[in-house]
This record gives sequence, C-alpha cells and structure tokens, in this order.
Amino acid sequence: GQQLNQSPQSMFIQEGEDVSMNCTSSSIFNTWLWYKQEPGEGPVLLIALYKAGELTSNGRLTAQFGITRKDSFLNISASIPSDVGIYFCAGPNTGNQFYFGTGTSLTVIP
Amino acid sequence: DVKVTQSSRYLVKRTGEKVFLECVQDMDHENMFWYRQDPGLGLRLIYFSYDVKMKEKGDIPEGYSVSREKKERFSLILESASTNQTSMYLCASREHSTGRLSFGSGTRLTVV
Repeated sequence: GQQLNQSPQSMFIQEGEDVSMNCTSSSIFNTWLWYKQEPGEGPVLLIALYKAGELTSNGRLTAQFGITRKDSFLNISASIPSDVGIYFCAGPNTGNQFYFGTGTSLTVIP
Repeated sequence: DVKVTQSSRYLVKRTGEKVFLECVQDMDHENMFWYRQDPGLGLRLIYFSYDVKMKEKGDIPEGYSVSREKKERFSLILESASTNQTSMYLCASREHSTGRLSFGSGTRLTVV
C-alpha cells in the first residue's frame, strides 16, 4: 500500500528544544492521525484532525491539518526525555484502509 | 477510551507450527485490522475485516488467514509458520464515526 512521505526520518535534540515534523501525500485526506510508538509497544493515538486548516493541541503537542489537505504537521514544544519514540502519521483512504507515514524517530538528549 | 487487547506480548514458535494471534476490542467497532511491522518497511496490512465473518486481503496476505466469528474478536492465523514471519504484529480497530484507529500493544513473534 501507499506510504505517506514523512520527514525528517530521525531527530536528535537537546531536552527543552522544540520539534517539528511533517507528512505529505499525493492524495487528499479528510482525516489525519498522529501516533507515537515506544519500543516494543503498539502505537498510541496523539491527535486526530478532521478539517483543512484545523490546529489541535494535546498538552505540549500541536498538530495542523494542511490547507491543501495533502499535508499535516506535528510540533512538540519544550521536549523532555519521555518524548523519545517514533512518531508517525496516518490517513484513511476511501476503502477503509489506512496509509501510514514512514515515521520520525525522536531522541531527546538530557 | 477504546481498548484493543492482544493476547500475547511475546511468542516463540517453531517453523511449521500453526500459530494463532488473538485480538479483542471492547467498543463494538466494525472494522478491525492486522498489520505487521518490520524495520524499514513500516506498517503493512495483512488482512482487515469490516464485519463479522467478513474479511478482505490486505497488501501481504500470503501465509496468513483470519477469523472473525464475533464482532469483538479478530484472529490472525499463521497456517505454517516460517522464519520470514518473525515480526511485530499489531491489531487495530477503527471507530466508524471519528475514523480513529486504535492499536493493541503488539505481539512480538519469533519463528525459529
């Protein structure tokens, strides 16, 4: 199946720094989902977006649904060590299946 | 919150064994999915089901089958396990009204 283009592939940042990552698609989506996955665990839903231009926050996390409906962004402010993990985006296609981003691996250096 | 429960966190099986991976969700969701996750390959869809006794092949169904006898339970079956089926297996269910996909904790399967 199709994969969404997600960048960057990995990030190494100092504790306290802000983080930005994004996903792009060649197709228009009506929903964008952002997940975090820690080693050995299943992905956990962080934020769901439903409208173009929508900006939604969950604590220090903020995600935006791009105006073109072909992209989405996730920002993490003031990173802390427990933010470590792999973040990926997902979007449903018309067949009730999902496309997934390739993932951004985040390492936070204390 | 939706709870998706996978029966085993870790499994070690021998080549040729028949393997059952069980998944249960508690929110009456119609759509359920089985993925495998491998480094560098991301999440790949094996099978999905949009209702009881209904199933559809995903991108990589070969070597797998599924069973959905009850709405809350979606089972993945490896008919004859092979070493290339060593992977992390993730079950998920989808909420129809919001489109949100919730995952289980995963089963790390090793076939030796």
